[in-house]
Amino acid sequence: EAQVTQNPRYLITVTGKKLTVTCSQNMNHEYMSWYRQDPGLGLRQIYYSMNVEVTDKGDVPEGYKVSRKEKRNFPLILESPSPNQTSLYFCASSLSVVMNTEAFFGQGTRLTVV
Amino acid sequence: GNSVTQMEGPVTLSEEAFLTINCTYTATGYPSLFWYVQYPGEGLQLLLKATKADDKGSNKGFEATYRKETTSFHLEKGSVQVSDSAVYFCALIMNYGGATNKLIFGTGTLLAVQP
Repeated sequence: EAQVTQNPRYLITVTGKKLTVTCSQNMNHEYMSWYRQDPGLGLRQIYYSMNVEVTDKGDVPEGYKVSRKEKRNFPLILESPSPNQTSLYFCASSLSVVMNTEAFFGQGTRLTVV
Repeated sequence: GNSVTQMEGPVTLSEEAFLTINCTYTATGYPSLFWYVQYPGEGLQLLLKATKADDKGSNKGFEATYRKETTSFHLEKGSVQVSDSAVYFCALIMNYGGATNKLIFGTGTLLAVQP
């Protein structure tokens, strides 16, 4: 089954404790990205990757890192989480960077930083 | 910059009622337009899309027409069901010469359908 898998689904952590949210897709997609969803703001892009070893900042990259060492995986790293990073996070992938291609989303990771 | 504006929710309807969720966009060029749906506890999934002016996207009884003259892409369904209860996101993609494939989302509209 074609899917994007994120882990964990829920996470409560303390300020400053490094964490990683994993994302994996099994569709051989080139393009992957991370979004955060906040009430009243919709989804905003954090980082994206057009292919292996190619990553770039989205609209709200501060406080986040990513890596793309393999095509299928695109982890999101919070080196020193803060309460303003409490949010619902989604990983997405699509076949290529060409417009019109459908984006597939993971089920989301609800992160709470206390 | 490019942006999407959609109507505030929540929208509460009775089963079999007619649904309209308004969406307008601002874009410097000619975007592709999408509606994504997010069911409770799940990620977003594509509902329908339109890639050029006057195109109509349709799926599961939902439809939306790309109107360049009014920069709109309103979502409609003739008869909603309880199972349609979800958050609906309007979105666009601009192709910056192949550099990115970034979806720009509206804020989402919660639809609650009551039996």
